[in-house]
Amino acid sequence: NAGVMQNPRHLVRRRGQEARLRCSPVKGHSHVYWYRQLPEEGLKFMVYLQKENIIDESGMPKERFSAEFPKEGPSILRIQQVVRGDSAAYFCASSKTGGLGRRNQPQHFGDGTRLSIL
Amino acid sequence: AQKVTQAQTEISVVEKEDVTLDCVYETRDTTYYLFWYKQPPSGELVFLIRRNSFDEQNEISGRYSWNFQKSTSSFNFTITASQVVDSAVYFCALSEETGANNLFFGTGTRLTVIP
Repeated sequence: NAGVMQNPRHLVRRRGQEARLRCSPVKGHSHVYWYRQLPEEGLKFMVYLQKENIIDESGMPKERFSAEFPKEGPSILRIQQVVRGDSAAYFCASSKTGGLGRRNQPQHFGDGTRLSIL
Repeated sequence: AQKVTQAQTEISVVEKEDVTLDCVYETRDTTYYLFWYKQPPSGELVFLIRRNSFDEQNEISGRYSWNFQKSTSSFNFTITASQVVDSAVYFCALSEETGANNLFFGTGTRLTVIP
């Protein structure tokens, strides 16, 4: 799937636990984007990160959610004290230069992480 | 304001019928990019096509074709001779050259092809 790797593919957590979702971008890409898809809905933008920086977090819930993209290693989307409403599919995409879908960049997403909250 | 509208929530067709999925978009940018993705029951997002705003030529790829009409801000997707494997949710998306840094997705159209 064009190299964006997400893991785990499925994650089950109990209410109150923490969830950590990982996204490894296409090799050479330094821009990462996270999206959330609630059941029976479309994808909603959450956050856009460049290595070590958050560029746009306008779609992130204000509490319990955080994201990082360190200099080394994958991008992490972290959800603290999960609640039932966090159950969703979380997708990640990457790009070589800024702006998802711009110019001649092909636009592929990872296979997603399906988070289920018990 | 919603930037991508897929008015058809669900469509059912009988196998071998043709079906068109509608997508209407809204943007102030003169340069923008339009996408279609397929999401089969297994859940992954499959990239189908990317079209930039300066290329209004219609495109055909096998049984798939796309009709881009700037005058009506539409980017419709037609599947000819539908097959059961076409059953999926289809998303239209928009990226703006100078606007926000991300893709705006429509709410999707669930296509069911009945054998």
